[in-house]
Amino acid sequence: EAGVAQSPRYKIIEKRQSVAFWCNPISGHATLYWYQQILGQGPKLLIQFQNNGVVDDSQLPKDRFSAERLKGVDSTLKIQPAKLEDSAVYLCASSRGRAVNNEQFFGPGTRLTVL
Amino acid sequence: GQQLNQSPQSMFIQEGEDVSMNCTSSSIFNTWLWYKQDPGEGPVLLIALYKAGELTSNGRLTAQFGITRKDSFLNISASIPSDVGIYFCFMEYGNKLVFGAGTILRVKS
Repeated sequence: EAGVAQSPRYKIIEKRQSVAFWCNPISGHATLYWYQQILGQGPKLLIQFQNNGVVDDSQLPKDRFSAERLKGVDSTLKIQPAKLEDSAVYLCASSRGRAVNNEQFFGPGTRLTVL
Repeated sequence: GQQLNQSPQSMFIQEGEDVSMNCTSSSIFNTWLWYKQDPGEGPVLLIALYKAGELTSNGRLTAQFGITRKDSFLNISASIPSDVGIYFCFMEYGNKLVFGAGTILRVKS
């Protein structure tokens, strides 16, 4: 079974620029997550989708971050405009159902550097 | 927001030694999960605990769900170089999904 795919793997931008990340979850997984992992910290959930509906986006900075999951499969996460503090690894994960009862499978992440 | 406290923050041990780390919270949980993250990779699930007092093993890994439901322990026996990585506890708090800050494990061979 193919794992969670993410692209790009690395991105370097200047502050105030825009950036987008793409995630393709494991086939058949209804739940998709985007996490932000700042160096030295645990992943922080930004947004959780169940199919193409949002379950939780309470920690998503909505003034600059947006995410969508078209047709309940692939997802994109966008930052516009980027700030220095957005430098982090952005992890996408998917699971068959709720995270505490179903294993989350993570992609390799996109490492974003904002200069 | 809910905080999960992991200790120690980091460990540097000799290959073959046993390792113990824990995760505590001020709130009661019904489930504790432990993940491991290798450098440059996403976290991978190691062990899931669903009942207070539960003791579960996965190879050289043993995890316990504290009887108070506010803590969990992860033990690694006879450590090997591939045990290097960051170990995270994880759970659901209300509808929020929370990872601890992690314990960094380094192994000297």
